[in-house]
Amino acid sequence: GAVVSQHPSRVICKSGTSVKIECRSLDFQATTMFWYRQFPKQSLMLMATSNEGSKATYEQGVEKDKFLINHASLTLSTLTVTSAHPEDSSFYICSASDRLRGNSPLHFGNGTRLTVT
Amino acid sequence: GENVEQHPSTLSVQEGDSAVIKCTYSDSASNYFPWYKQELGKGPQLIIDIRSNVGEKKDQRIAVTLNKTAKHFSLHITETQPEDSAVYFCAATGNQFYFGTGTSLTVIP
Repeated sequence: GAVVSQHPSRVICKSGTSVKIECRSLDFQATTMFWYRQFPKQSLMLMATSNEGSKATYEQGVEKDKFLINHASLTLSTLTVTSAHPEDSSFYICSASDRLRGNSPLHFGNGTRLTVT
Repeated sequence: GENVEQHPSTLSVQEGDSAVIKCTYSDSASNYFPWYKQELGKGPQLIIDIRSNVGEKKDQRIAVTLNKTAKHFSLHITETQPEDSAVYFCAATGNQFYFGTGTSLTVIP
């Protein structure tokens, strides 16, 4: 089955530093990947849509300069949380679908638990 | 845009009983309806999906039903086991995925 690998699974950083999270589709190509943020006991909140070879599309209220997204290839998207602050602490999850399968399932990574101290 | 509502938000059942989670959607153009299971500290995992040209789909103890006219779809888990305990999300998609608010299922041994 389709596998999405997300790394790191956990990261602790100091306030003011930047953190990069990688999302890879291991056995399929993804023109589009999605980045979500999830607060405890809540649903997935779409942050941005990452498009291979072009700029990401951000949802309303998400700061594009704070959450930098790069989708340089059909199998890799990265999310960089810049100048992290404690309020950025959260569970970040990426997802992707196989570009060859049209309206196909989204496959999710296992998430990254970010803690900013 | 699409609006997906999911009920109940929490559900407790005795082991061996059935569990039913229901979702409604608003956009008649939505044509794909997946269900995801999320265990603590992990990403959501697809457990079953259904497309708009089908009314029901079953995979062992899990089944999904879709009523396009009424714009609702349901997840049915039979013979529940403790390892079924998790948060379940429904989604409705056309060009975008819209997720329900989740149901925390607890199966009591």
